[in-house]
Amino acid sequence: KQEVTQIPAALSVPEGENLVLNCSFTDSAIYNLQWFRQDPGKGLTSLLLIQSSQREQTSGRLNASLDKSSGRSTLYIAASQPGDSATYLCAVITSGTYKYIFGTGTRLKVLA
Amino acid sequence: NAGVMQNPRHLVRRRGQEARLRCSPMKGHSHVYWYRQLPEEGLKFMVYLQKENIIDESGMPKERFSAEFPKEGPSILRIQQVVRGDSAAYFCASSPGGTSNQPQHFGDGTRLSIL
Repeated sequence: KQEVTQIPAALSVPEGENLVLNCSFTDSAIYNLQWFRQDPGKGLTSLLLIQSSQREQTSGRLNASLDKSSGRSTLYIAASQPGDSATYLCAVITSGTYKYIFGTGTRLKVLA
Repeated sequence: NAGVMQNPRHLVRRRGQEARLRCSPMKGHSHVYWYRQLPEEGLKFMVYLQKENIIDESGMPKERFSAEFPKEGPSILRIQQVVRGDSAAYFCASSPGGTSNQPQHFGDGTRLSIL
């Protein structure tokens, strides 16, 4: 049974810092892994999608890496800004299924 | 706006009433997924539907919950005789096909509160 864990559960950093969010999953047979952002009371915004054959994806100040063999992904945020404050969710689709398994998220607060 | 549309955004019901949550997928998408986010918990898969078919309802509670995606109109998640424990955010996602390499696009959710 696929399980997704995210650490840390919460993170508070001063503006301008580079930071790394971690995601681990127990079954390495995945189709893809996706990072989402969720603002309080809002829906999910897709940030980056990494297919199983890919090692990383980049969008602006965000970079996500995937190491399937070790069951890990990291989301790197460069030069953090207060507007980055949100909950970041990691989700995987296990091979042979079509449903996302979500982690419980990392609540990020970037202080001005 | 061509995104996934969910309504209502907020729904308040008293215990024992029925709740109906609607989801209109993105244009051209024929696959719909419902997820539930309980307070202080992660999102959990509930059900996967194609037009007029339920493909996987393994995440649905066995009683009081049902879902449909008719040939015409939005997908409906129906909760009968609601209880306090049904209070949650319900998210709908859609994709153009059912293959796992196609990303699912999420709506803004319906926040259900049970009095």
